[in-house]
Amino acid sequence: QKEVEQDPGPLSVPEGAIVSLNCTYSNSAFQYFMWYRQYSRKGPELLMYTYSSGNKEDGRFTAQVDKSSKYISLFIRDSQPSDSATYLCAMSGRGGYQKVTFGTGTKLQVIP
Amino acid sequence: ETGVTQTPRHLVMGMTNKKSLKCEQHLGHNAMYWYKQSAKKPLELMFVYSLEERVENNSVPSRFSPECPNSSHLFLHLHTLQPEDSALYLCASSQELAGGINEQFFGPGTRLTVL
Repeated sequence: QKEVEQDPGPLSVPEGAIVSLNCTYSNSAFQYFMWYRQYSRKGPELLMYTYSSGNKEDGRFTAQVDKSSKYISLFIRDSQPSDSATYLCAMSGRGGYQKVTFGTGTKLQVIP
Repeated sequence: ETGVTQTPRHLVMGMTNKKSLKCEQHLGHNAMYWYKQSAKKPLELMFVYSLEERVENNSVPSRFSPECPNSSHLFLHLHTLQPEDSALYLCASSQELAGGINEQFFGPGTRLTVL
């Protein structure tokens, strides 16, 4: 079983739709849950993160963590063509040097 | 220059060639990383340098040889590669904080094709 599972897509939605991106994981030691966004011909950049369980909102983006189910989600409201990118979930433990484990990434296309 | 830069952006090499990838970070970070990104696969961590010492080497074949001469520069020396080594090679840096999130800043990558 992979430590982090993520559907690679692609996912195609019309502009204005609500997008739901998800990952599951198996390592109970993960404490930081991150979402990176990677545009074409660019490196990934951190979009947002949560520590332990709960929700976090930043503008049109909401990150949710359910540690009991080992399931994390990223919701994008009112999706825009500029949101078209690959979204990678990533996770790590806490304390000292912590390796970050990434998912495969989900390719999202928002159609105008 | 700002952030993390990588050169070259594209590289085509034969299986018998020797080449090097270069990474430079302008963020004052103390850790640097090499990752391999292949289609439909998770980012694969290859090497980690913390304070210029290698702290992680994830069973990478010896045809990949990293070098970290100082905290701002990282190289990946390539020799006798195989076609399956074709991928996007990403460099990243971070500032390690005790107990904090390991936010990594990535360069744009080098697209490597091995013929």
